[in-house]
Amino acid sequence: GQNIDQPTEMTATEGAIVQINCTYQTSGFNGLFWYQQHAGEAPTFLSYNVLDGLEEKGRFSSFLSRSKGYSYLLLKELQMKDSASYLCAVRDYGNNRLAFGKGNQVVVIP
Amino acid sequence: DAGVIQSPRHEVTEMGQEVTLRCKPISGHNSLFWYRQTMMRGLELLIYFNNNVPIDDSGMPEDRFSAKMPNASFSTLKIQPSEPRDSAVYFCASSSNRANEQYFGPGTRLTVT
Repeated sequence: GQNIDQPTEMTATEGAIVQINCTYQTSGFNGLFWYQQHAGEAPTFLSYNVLDGLEEKGRFSSFLSRSKGYSYLLLKELQMKDSASYLCAVRDYGNNRLAFGKGNQVVVIP
Repeated sequence: DAGVIQSPRHEVTEMGQEVTLRCKPISGHNSLFWYRQTMMRGLELLIYFNNNVPIDDSGMPEDRFSAKMPNASFSTLKIQPSEPRDSAVYFCASSSNRANEQYFGPGTRLTVT
């Protein structure tokens, strides 16, 4: 099974950079996913890492270290619309199920 | 593409009643997932299907919950009898075997009184 830990809430100013961390424990790692969820809406896919290193997608980047069981999501040039919960999820090798963390609530203020 | 479709969007029912939630996955997707989300427990996988066959139902809370996928374009999650602690948002998601990401439907907000 998996054990996924994320801090719960942070506040940041428009235009700033925030880093959201995720640590995990799993027996057969096969990918880490980041999802964004606005209040009252469904989660939407942001990024996927399966190899160590940084994946960049516009203002969002995601980093993975498999040896440390650690990932972070970096949000640059924060905008008000980035206020949401950010969920990390881990997939085990051999199946398609995702185990989600509780999510980190980011509040962007002017 | 219409995305994943779920119905109803909201359901309010009394304890003891049967509840049926419906999902239509994205056309061509092979895998379908049912999740439940609450403040206390976060987003939990209940069951997932691959090519209409249930692969992992270890997340189904108890015998009151059942799920079916009679064909590639339709799935149901049934709770009978419902209890107040079943109140949550239930999401359906689908994915293709060739891709990694899962696409979520808008969810059904269930309230059991």
